[in-house]
Amino acid sequence: DAKTTQPNSMESNEEEPVHLPCNHSTISGTDYIHWYRQLPSQGPEYVIHGLTSNVNNRMASLAIAEDRKSSTLILHRATLRDAAVYYCILSMDSNYQLIWGAGTKLIIKP
Amino acid sequence: DAMVIQNPRYQVTQFGKPVTLSCSQTLNHNVMYWYQQKSSQAPKLLFHYYDKDFNNEADTPDNFQSRRPNTSFCFLDIRSPGLGDAAMYLCATSAGTSGGHEQYFGPGTRLTVT
Repeated sequence: DAKTTQPNSMESNEEEPVHLPCNHSTISGTDYIHWYRQLPSQGPEYVIHGLTSNVNNRMASLAIAEDRKSSTLILHRATLRDAAVYYCILSMDSNYQLIWGAGTKLIIKP
Repeated sequence: DAMVIQNPRYQVTQFGKPVTLSCSQTLNHNVMYWYQQKSSQAPKLLFHYYDKDFNNEADTPDNFQSRRPNTSFCFLDIRSPGLGDAAMYLCATSAGTSGGHEQYFGPGTRLTVT
């Protein structure tokens, strides 16, 4: 199975953009890239997903490299409520499984 | 409004005493999942149901069982909890199983084994 690699932690200032990187060099052509986040003592929350093209939604943007071997989750203006563990995940089109990365703990400084 | 509900949020059980965790959903999704999450780790899939079809992960211990009596409800039974089973148990749902489907998670049940 393809794997994802993320930094253990990142810090950012409140009200500034945040770019969370993820490497998935062994991704296959039918693997979707998902991002979920998990706030303390809560279940994971879906953020965004994509296959080949960049994606935007109300929470974030997902930038996917042309070769699909890496992606970046972009929070346009971080707030204190965005402090969470962000998981970069691969999901095969033909399979139910989410292949979870280890997650990046995002710390937001006021 | 809560879409995936888990009860209880916190459960304490004794070593070896059977325990049942419950999950309900208002999304009418076909697929329901149970995950185990230990401290500072990513969730680990235990099993899932596609409608009434049960799918067990290869490394899920026999100690863990599940029931899905109808579309809305799913239960996780731990027959003889050990200290190593203390964890957060997460229920999730999705409309389908292909890679483009997102999963909706409940808040989790934190299980303590004494």
